[in-house]
Amino acid sequence: DTGVSQDPRHKITKRGQNVTFRCDPISEHNRLYWYRQTLGQGPEFLTYFQNEAQLEKSRLLSDRFSAERPKGSFSTLEIQRTEQGDSAMYLCASSLEARGYTFGSGTRLTVV
Amino acid sequence: AQSVTQPDIHITVSEGASLELRCNYSYGATPYLFWYVQSPGQGLQLLLKYFSGDTLVQGIKGFEAEFKRSQSSFNLRKPSVHWSDAAEYFCAVGAVAGANNHFFGTGTRLTVIP
Repeated sequence: DTGVSQDPRHKITKRGQNVTFRCDPISEHNRLYWYRQTLGQGPEFLTYFQNEAQLEKSRLLSDRFSAERPKGSFSTLEIQRTEQGDSAMYLCASSLEARGYTFGSGTRLTVV
Repeated sequence: AQSVTQPDIHITVSEGASLELRCNYSYGATPYLFWYVQSPGQGLQLLLKYFSGDTLVQGIKGFEAEFKRSQSSFNLRKPSVHWSDAAEYFCAVGAVAGANNHFFGTGTRLTVIP
């Protein structure tokens, strides 16, 4: 068990560019979550997968955001046409059922 | 609707002193309750969780929390704080049934002075 891995740790991008983040959950965990955290705030839910199925999406997840979890393993979160307001820490978490999450270290996105 | 309130934005305690971080929740049914800790630039680590049963739950690193239904509270405590406990602490509530996500409070930053 190597924990939840996220890549990259940091990403700086120009406004309007597309970015993609990757999350590798704990292998035996069937649930995977994406959260966004801005400075001074708690994490905000973005989306949730059970195995490969995306079962819930927050209204925070605009049309520019898309997430996938092919084959129920790793997941990717893509942001198209980034805006300065997308600057945040993007956190991935996994769990076995709804009994507390294991979080990754996050990907910090800065849009300039 | 679910919500979590952590009324203290920042708390400073002396090393060796006791600690209590407050958390109040609003939820229409029996909740799952969690406390997480976050060090700067890192993800969150689960400290403890409450699902049912004994209302006093023990967690890692010497932390405990008590669920008080009548007060809708789930306060985190530690009898003697160590300098390494300095971090951000988040309380979260999740649904008992079909819990697909947590709702987090805004966090309490803990500073520990020697």
